[in-house]
Amino acid sequence: KNQVEQSPQSLIILEGKNCTLQCNYTVSPFSNLRWYKQDTGRGPVSLTIMTFSENTKSNGRYTATLDADTKQSSLHITASQLSDSASYICVVSAWAGGSYIPTFGRGTSLIVHP
Amino acid sequence: KAGVTQTPRYLIKTRGQQVTLSCSPISGHRSVSWYQQTPGQGLQFLFEYFSETQRNKGNFPGRFSGRQFSNSRSEMNVSTLELGDSALYLCASSLDQGGQPQHFGDGTRLSIL
Repeated sequence: KNQVEQSPQSLIILEGKNCTLQCNYTVSPFSNLRWYKQDTGRGPVSLTIMTFSENTKSNGRYTATLDADTKQSSLHITASQLSDSASYICVVSAWAGGSYIPTFGRGTSLIVHP
Repeated sequence: KAGVTQTPRYLIKTRGQQVTLSCSPISGHRSVSWYQQTPGQGLQFLFEYFSETQRNKGNFPGRFSGRQFSNSRSEMNVSTLELGDSALYLCASSLDQGGQPQHFGDGTRLSIL
């Protein structure tokens, strides 16, 4: 069964600090991995997408890494801001039958305090 | 360019009723997919439509159905509502079939009393 596990479930940090969120998956056949940011009351917004051959992808202060051998990904947030308070969701897609089949993690809730 | 639009934003129903939710994709996007989000289960894939045809389906009962119109707008219907159907229903659009959820709407919050 395809699964995506995220840790920690929640995280509280001070503004300006860095943090790292983790995503472990058992999805086959692996196609790609996305990180989304979801603000309260809004839909998810894509931050990064990584395929099998990519190790690192950055989007401003967000840097995602992927280790396809160990089936692990991380999302590193640098110099956190209050606006980074949100839920971060890892999504791993398999390619099957002509479509991508997404499996979602349950997300990490990040709170940034001033 | 307008984003993905979902209506209504909030809805309250009672058990046994049925409900229809609407999703207008980004102009030019032909694929629409639907998701259910609950605190306990997180996001779960419901189904995907492309060119008015359902291309993929998640593991949900037949009470959940959908359709897509020639202008790519999509509707999702849930019949015989149960308390457990209370959730945020999100749709996402992408350019092509089998596309991944590139752009999400802000969802319809459905509450079942």
